[in-house]
Amino acid sequence: AQSVSQHNHHVILSEAASLELGCNYSYGGTVNLFWYVQYPGQHLQLLLKYFSGDPLVKGIKGFEAEFIKSKFSFNLRKPSVQWSDTAEYFCAVNPANTGGFKTIFGAGTRLFVKA
Amino acid sequence: SQTIHQWPATLVQPVGSPLSLECTVEGTSNPNLYWYRQAAGRGLQLLFYSVGIGQISSEVPQNLSASRPQDRQFILSSKKLLLSDSGFYLCAWSARWTGVDNQPQHFGDGTRLSIL
Repeated sequence: AQSVSQHNHHVILSEAASLELGCNYSYGGTVNLFWYVQYPGQHLQLLLKYFSGDPLVKGIKGFEAEFIKSKFSFNLRKPSVQWSDTAEYFCAVNPANTGGFKTIFGAGTRLFVKA
Repeated sequence: SQTIHQWPATLVQPVGSPLSLECTVEGTSNPNLYWYRQAAGRGLQLLFYSVGIGQISSEVPQNLSASRPQDRQFILSSKKLLLSDSGFYLCAWSARWTGVDNQPQHFGDGTRLSIL
């Protein structure tokens, strides 16, 4: 069965620190990959997505993620976090070219950035 | 622009009572619609999805059902709620698949359901 694993459930960083959130998935075929973010009191929203092409994708607010096919990974990074990045981050995967109906979400990582 | 509305935001219901959560989408046609349950530390679990009016696919056996009476309306229901139905329910939509890339999903604000 397909699954998505996010390695850290809670991360605490100081402002200006670098961020990397791990995401690994299990699926043997081609996938579409997503990172979603949920800021406190707000709805879940798309941060970035990977469909094909350049494995390094850039999203909003300075975030980027790198797809490494051989490692089944799609880690999220940001060089310098801000207090406003405090949120919960979800990695998500679905099999490519299938309509995207069956998206599998990771358990989420709660990031707290200290001012 | 597209918007998604989900209500109520919170709901407290006794065990055995019926349930109806509603979700509507504006600004788009023929969306795919989804109901998820979000549990703390466990991510989002897909409950139902719909590709069109009256077309519902269920992902997990449970005490809940879904209906899509109109193109942009998606309803989550139960005839008799159980304690285990407590949780946070999210509605989402995505653009109709055109046979190329899977589209990202757009989420509502969620409903916090507490069963007493």
